Amino acid sequence: GAGVSQSPRYKVAKRGQDVALRCDPISGHVSLFWYQQALGQGPEFLTYFQNEAQLDKSGLPSDRFFAERPEGSVSTLKIQRTQQEDSAVYLCASSLADAGGLLSEQFFGPGTRLTVL
Amino acid sequence: GNSVTQMEGPVTLSEEAFLTINCTYTATGYPSLFWYVQYPGEGLQLLLKATKADDKGSNKGFEATYRKETTSFHLEKGSVQVSDSAVYFCALSRRGSQGNLIFGKGTKLSVKP
Repeated sequence: GAGVSQSPRYKVAKRGQDVALRCDPISGHVSLFWYQQALGQGPEFLTYFQNEAQLDKSGLPSDRFFAERPEGSVSTLKIQRTQQEDSAVYLCASSLADAGGLLSEQFFGPGTRLTVL
Repeated sequence: GNSVTQMEGPVTLSEEAFLTINCTYTATGYPSLFWYVQYPGEGLQLLLKATKADDKGSNKGFEATYRKETTSFHLEKGSVQVSDSAVYFCALSRRGSQGNLIFGKGTKLSVKP
């Protein structure tokens, strides 16, 4: 079946522009994670959803970053007034982990590479 | 805090050589440990995992053993192939958390024929 998909795959923005990055998780997956991966680094956690509820946004680097998952499936990560330091690959992952917090494998999308000029 | 440290790359090996990529961690409690792999042009994929001390994860000829006494989870493979060329990430997830992963910086492996 289809895996996690993300769009766009590449985004170039001018400093100060707003961007929206989309994630389509695997159908039926309860948990959804966003990560930020800077060049040459490992992914870093941004935020976590369980269905439509955003349970953890402790990794969002500033209040310019906003994420939503209104119907518990597709999620959007929005970055307002982009800065050069926002340039990175943004990864989305989904898993079957249930409300009890039992761990299950996270399936990652291909990522969106954001370049802010 | 929780963190993962893995050996820096790049690592270049000849085909059929033995591979070790070191990974150590710092965590409260007893985390679950993972190795993820990122092949060129592809997304991150889970390679193997271990959820408790002395567990050995294995997949595709790769192995890693959860060593609580040394807080390590080193990745090994007895005979690498050109197709193993990729970036390898060690990661942990704290038990009882929602499952978000904490990654190391990644180690790029290049295998030459």
